[in-house]
Amino acid sequence: SFDLTQPPSVSVSPGQTARITCSGDALPQQFAYWYQQKPGQAPVLLIYKDSERPSGIPERFSGSSSGTTVTLTISGVQAEDEADYYCQSQDVGGTHVFGSGTTVTVL
Amino acid sequence: QVQLQESGPGLVKASETLSLTCTVSSGSMKTYFWSWIRQPPGKGLEWIAYVFYTGSSNYNPSLGSRVTISVDPSRNQFSLKVRSVTAADTAVYYCARGFRSYEGRPNGYFDLWGPGKLVTVSS
Repeated sequence: SFDLTQPPSVSVSPGQTARITCSGDALPQQFAYWYQQKPGQAPVLLIYKDSERPSGIPERFSGSSSGTTVTLTISGVQAEDEADYYCQSQDVGGTHVFGSGTTVTVL
Repeated sequence: QVQLQESGPGLVKASETLSLTCTVSSGSMKTYFWSWIRQPPGKGLEWIAYVFYTGSSNYNPSLGSRVTISVDPSRNQFSLKVRSVTAADTAVYYCARGFRSYEGRPNGYFDLWGPGKLVTVSS
């Protein structure tokens, strides 16, 4: 198995940019994905294959990858972006792992 | 629009077996894999297992042999059993649809989730 590490929390003012990192030694060999979860709701896929955005996801959400770290960037943060964010990856054997999650607080 | 819905008891006694079923509202189960993911109260997400429509499956090594996932494509359903439950198995259990491919690297993610089912293990 493998691990994915995220910061517990990120705070950002409305209109600013939030960056959430996810680190793991296996990430250069595996794609990463990002999910948003609001209280009492199921997670929603935000980013797949490191940087692809599903239809219906606002353009202010973007993903990037560099070495052992992937980053979710929220540009022009809005109050509605306050949520928990999880990264996830899958190894060649089919094992899926989630990061520990990052709570984004909009100040 | 395809939807997923979890069903099963919301309360299970310690040492007994937790059983949940996920119903896929429409469409074929062939293109995707089907998974269970759980979230203890106030904690993060934990992948449990997945199954293909053929019955081929894979499990989180940390849960060992306590877990069984199965599929019934004729009913558009897949199920989860967790044996010998303890308080640590109390969680919201989500069923999810997964997409998998290989594009130079393994590619597998969850693009559709059920609303979740809270299962409490009582002593």
